[in-house]
This record gives sequence, C-alpha cells and structure tokens, in this order.
Amino acid sequence: QVTLKESGTGILQPSQALSLTCSFSGFSLSTTGICVSWIRQPSGKGLEWLADICWDDGKGYNPSLKNRLSISKDTSNNQAFLKITSVDTADTATYYCARMGSYGYYYVMDAWGQGASVTVSS
Amino acid sequence: DTVLTQSPALAVSPGERVTISCRASESVSTGMHWYQQKPGQQPKLLIYGASNLESGVPARFSGSGSGTDFTLTIDPVEADDTATYFCQQSWNDPHTFGAGTKLELK
Repeated sequence: QVTLKESGTGILQPSQALSLTCSFSGFSLSTTGICVSWIRQPSGKGLEWLADICWDDGKGYNPSLKNRLSISKDTSNNQAFLKITSVDTADTATYYCARMGSYGYYYVMDAWGQGASVTVSS
Repeated sequence: DTVLTQSPALAVSPGERVTISCRASESVSTGMHWYQQKPGQQPKLLIYGASNLESGVPARFSGSGSGTDFTLTIDPVEADDTATYFCQQSWNDPHTFGAGTKLELK
C-alpha cells in the first residue's frame, strides 16, 4: 500500500523560508521511473505543480517559482523535501506531495498525501 | 505553459450521464489525466493517459480524447460523485492543471 504524508512549518512570517517533508511508504525513490512531486492548492482554488525529483536525482521546477524552490531526497529514509525561500502571503496554501510514476510516454501522479496547511502571515 | 480550460460547474441528476471537458492550449498527445477531489480531501487519480481507468475506480468513469480536446464521462452519475474534477497534463513542461469543474447533483 502506497502512502505519503506531508509535514512542515504551519505558520510563517513573510520573507521566511518554508521547509516541507514528504514521508512515504510502499515504494522507493530508487526504483526506475519513480518520482515525487510537490503540488499546492490555495484554499478554494486550483492546483499548481511546484517541483519533482526522480529516482535518478533528476529534478524539475515550475519556472514561475524556480528561483525560490529547492527539492531534495533521502532515499534511505523514504523522504523527499521541498524548500521555498522568501515566502509571502501568496504562498498560503495546502501543500501536497504525490508519487509520480512513469507510464510509458508520460508521468502520472497516482498517489497523493493528505496535504499540509501552510499560512504566511505577519 | 500549456493552459487547460475547463467549464467551471455542472449540475446533473443522479442516474444521468455527464461529460466534463478539458481543452489544452497546445497538443498534449495522450498525456492527460483526470482527478477527483472531494472537500477536505486530496485529489484522487481516476483516468490516466486520456482513457485508462485507474485500478479500483468504478467503470462508470471513462475518458477520451487526444491532442487538445479531452472528455471525462460519468455514466451513470451517483450522489457520491459530488466533487471537483481536475484535468492535468504531463506531456509538456511544466505540468499544468485545469481550474477544475465542480459537479453538483440536483
């Protein structure tokens, strides 16, 4: 059974850095074709893909936030991490991590964590 | 970025057939996927690769399309299907999501 769970700073002030951890089980980030993605969703709004990291340490970032994002992984402990620098109120959202698997010609986010709520407020 | 356009909301009666559309601003081949999100829950994968039913998802759900025009069909709709449905493409970078279609039952 694949499970993912996000954890991290719940409340931050503007300009601080946000650190998120995705702890997962039921799969390994050392398996070929497996990645972990980070996605966020402001309350009542749509989903925004942020970044992903794959089995081969390949990384992808959303260009709109690329300068502020850093993704990494700890394969031995089944964790992936996302850091966002210089947060502001627009970063207030629920942050999800998801397993992303290779389905041939494309990748699919086929299992999601329950999400971690992050609020940026002064 | 590839923009995905969905109609904002639909209202149908239980037992009816409903189609939810998603149009891409450029071709995504068959790299289109559909998710269901109920209030307070995480998204759940329903359809991947435009038309492939995810394991464990009821056969009432189906998907079709390729290129720029895609459809999610629910037939028949049940009360439990009340949710927001998102399309997402992973063919072009960056991965993008539609704004979601909120399905309400009459």
